[in-house]
Amino acid sequence: RKEVEQDPGPFNVPEGATVAFNCTYSNSASQSFFWYRQDCRKEPKLLMSVYSSGNEDGRFTAQLNRASQYISLLIRDSKLSDSATYLCVVNSATSGTYKYIFGTGTRLKVLA
Amino acid sequence: ETGVTQSPTHLIKTRGQQVTLRCSSQSGHNTVSWYQQALGQGPQFIFQYYREEENGRGNFPPRFSGLQFPNYSSELNVNALELDDSALYLCASSLARGSLLFGSGTRLTVV
Repeated sequence: RKEVEQDPGPFNVPEGATVAFNCTYSNSASQSFFWYRQDCRKEPKLLMSVYSSGNEDGRFTAQLNRASQYISLLIRDSKLSDSATYLCVVNSATSGTYKYIFGTGTRLKVLA
Repeated sequence: ETGVTQSPTHLIKTRGQQVTLRCSSQSGHNTVSWYQQALGQGPQFIFQYYREEENGRGNFPPRFSGLQFPNYSSELNVNALELDDSALYLCASSLARGSLLFGSGTRLTVV
């Protein structure tokens, strides 16, 4: 089983739609969680950190469920410019060291 | 904010050769990590350095090695290049377990 799993998509949605992505992680000791956005042939860029209480940034809402070990990202009122790959990232500690584990990414295409 | 810079941006090497990729961290960040990203995949963790010592490593063979310097810049060295090493190599800097700030990457092609 992969440490971090995402549905690769693609998700094709019309402009204005609401779309949700989920991501599951296997290490219950994971400590910090992020969503990154990656445009084609570019580096990943931080979209938002994810907190247990949930957090919102404009049209984007992220949630963390530690009991079920998943995080989610909700995008409301999708824009053409939201088309990208969304990467789920989990920071896990093992034997005194820690590392960032990425999911394979979920591709989103917003259609006019 | 200076950002993270990587060099070179593109590189073509022959199988069996050695390569060194370089990264300058964001000012104030004390941790640097390296990732390999193949086409259509998420970034794969190679290793991480904190205060010049490796403190985390992914499932990569020993021919992948690195260094972090006192100014927190870093190098990734790959020996005995294989065709499968062709990928985008990303460097990221961070503070402790905070969010990662990535450089624009080095695209390595092994022929």
